[in-house]
Amino acid sequence: EAAVTQSPRNKVTVTGGNVTLSCRQTNSHNYMYWYRQDTGHGLRLIHYSYGAGNLQIGDVPDGYKATRTTQEDFFLLLELASPSQTSLYFCASSGTGGRYAEQFFGPGTRLTVL
Amino acid sequence: GDKVKQSPSALSLQEGTNSALRCNFSIAATTVQWFLQNPRGSLINLFYLVPGTKENGRLKSAFDSKESYSTLHIRDAQLEDSGTYFCAAPTGGYKVVFGSGTRLLVSP
Repeated sequence: EAAVTQSPRNKVTVTGGNVTLSCRQTNSHNYMYWYRQDTGHGLRLIHYSYGAGNLQIGDVPDGYKATRTTQEDFFLLLELASPSQTSLYFCASSGTGGRYAEQFFGPGTRLTVL
Repeated sequence: GDKVKQSPSALSLQEGTNSALRCNFSIAATTVQWFLQNPRGSLINLFYLVPGTKENGRLKSAFDSKESYSTLHIRDAQLEDSGTYFCAAPTGGYKVVFGSGTRLLVSP
């Protein structure tokens, strides 16, 4: 059974629209991450969290909010979507201890902003 | 500059041949992770390495933290090996940085 799930898998919205992307992990991991993937840039970190109620700023945070409501659930919010946010979004989780940097990814959400 | 540089950026192989992909780090990487992004877009974990080597079927990876590089060797390439290969390393704390990927196309 998939340990990191994302919804929706595809989303189309208009400029200025409100979008929420959801991620759930059942790995019992403390850390969760949101990335965006664009051609020529690989994966870039938007926000991450080490537990419920915590939020850390990533490398490309502008235009994005995030909230971690439980250990399992991490949400990415786009409150005024722009065409520059058209991208493939991935959620990931990682644990602590010896394999702390090992990341496990969800299937991705393809977002198109018209 | 790029903290993780992958080479080559693209590669074409015939089925049954061998090749090697490389990641060079400008950070003091302590671990490295290799992924395959298949044509459907899914990111598949291949290896998670501390300094040393690991092997899994036709794939073998090595990580040298002192020389700051990692390699992924593909032996007897198959059509299903096609996709984009990424390496990633921690940059401090729990953040990880990714290379830009190597696009591999395996042809009959």
